[in-house]
Amino acid sequence: GQQVMQIPQYQHVQEGEDFTTYCNSSTTLSNIQWYKQRPGGHPVFLIQLVKSGEVKKQKRLTFQFGEAKKNSSLHITATQTTDVGTYFCAGRGSGTYKYIFGTGTRLKVLA
Amino acid sequence: DAGVIQSPRHEVTEMGQEVTLRCKPISGHNSLFWYRQTMMRGLELLIYFNNNVPIDDSGMPEDRFSAKMPNASFSTLKIQPSEPRDSAVYFCASSLGASHTGELFFGEGSRLTVL
Repeated sequence: GQQVMQIPQYQHVQEGEDFTTYCNSSTTLSNIQWYKQRPGGHPVFLIQLVKSGEVKKQKRLTFQFGEAKKNSSLHITATQTTDVGTYFCAGRGSGTYKYIFGTGTRLKVLA
Repeated sequence: DAGVIQSPRHEVTEMGQEVTLRCKPISGHNSLFWYRQTMMRGLELLIYFNNNVPIDDSGMPEDRFSAKMPNASFSTLKIQPSEPRDSAVYFCASSLGASHTGELFFGEGSRLTVL
């Protein structure tokens, strides 16, 4: 079945440093979504990417969808303590409503 | 809108007992998902419904787990009998489906502890 892996599993950065998490699917995706989960909270939608090679920006966050629609990345520029949490990608295969979540990357930002 | 509402927020029970988790999706959403989150296995999709019909239950661990969606505003996830390895946070999420962005709206989760 479809599997979605993320690296790294954990990342500790100093406040102000950049951060990137990578997401890889075993199958081609129709679209990919990114979520953030604060400690003790629930996943909250950040963005959706649909087109091959798509790049979207939200303030300090940049999201990319690979040309083959099998991988994606989230890059945060100049991290802040409010960026702390676990970032998940979630991929959907064609012809299904089913989103498979990646393994997540837990980000800690040291002030 | 109140968002996705789950109950109970916390449940502690003993092995062998029946557990029922409840979910009220956002009004107008036609897809509903049950996920389970643990440290070891991350966020696992258990089952999803489209227009109240179970579409894919391949993630349901075993026969002890069952889920129903009797109408568009209510779903239950039942575990009978419960076991310690069922301890996890269970999330319900709803969405408008592929016709919209497909964004999943999660409830706050039900934290289950089976002793």
